[in-house]
Amino acid sequence: GQNIDQPTEMTATEGAIVQINCTYQTSGFNGLFWYQQHAGEAPTFLSYNVLDGLEEKGRFSSFLSRSKGYSYLLLKELQMKDSASYLCAVLDSNYQLIWGAGTKLIIKP
Amino acid sequence: GAVVSQHPSWVICKSGTSVKIECRSLDFQATTMFWYRQFPKQSLMLMATSNEGSKATYEQGVEKDKFLINHASLTLSTLTVTSAHPEDSSFYICSASHGTGRSMSYEQYFGPGTRLTVT
Repeated sequence: GQNIDQPTEMTATEGAIVQINCTYQTSGFNGLFWYQQHAGEAPTFLSYNVLDGLEEKGRFSSFLSRSKGYSYLLLKELQMKDSASYLCAVLDSNYQLIWGAGTKLIIKP
Repeated sequence: GAVVSQHPSWVICKSGTSVKIECRSLDFQATTMFWYRQFPKQSLMLMATSNEGSKATYEQGVEKDKFLINHASLTLSTLTVTSAHPEDSSFYICSASHGTGRSMSYEQYFGPGTRLTVT
């Protein structure tokens, strides 16, 4: 079967750095997405990785290792507004997006 | 670009009535539209996938006769919750993609969601 694992919840301090991990086992791989979802709102796109390595975009970076079936989202200089759920999703061989359950990130002052 | 609208943003209806939710891609043609449901403090649950002009593909456990999906054009899909009951109260979110060719084009653009409350 297809499976995506993320931690259920993480807590970090304002101004710090946090890494949210995602591991996957899917039938094929055509890329991995990270989305952010604030409570009561729809998800918004953060990043897309299809090749191994690190993609940096401002305070957010996303890393991918296809051989390990592993990705992480790195958030730097955390702000209170970063409190949200972070969803990892993999595009499988049929171009279907397989979603993880999401990681709820709590930022404390 | 890539804006998806959803209407209404919230709706309250009585048990036994039907509710229609519209999802529109405003500035692109969506080859595929997706309907999700999300209960409080839970993750997204894909209900169905629809391609323009063809029947929707429903996920296991989703009643196709209860959740009617119509994808009449490349910019509009509708979800009708028929004979709604309180347990159907949820946050319904649509998304759209213009996925063809490059994998990045399979990115899903989400509408703002519709909060349905059935009394």
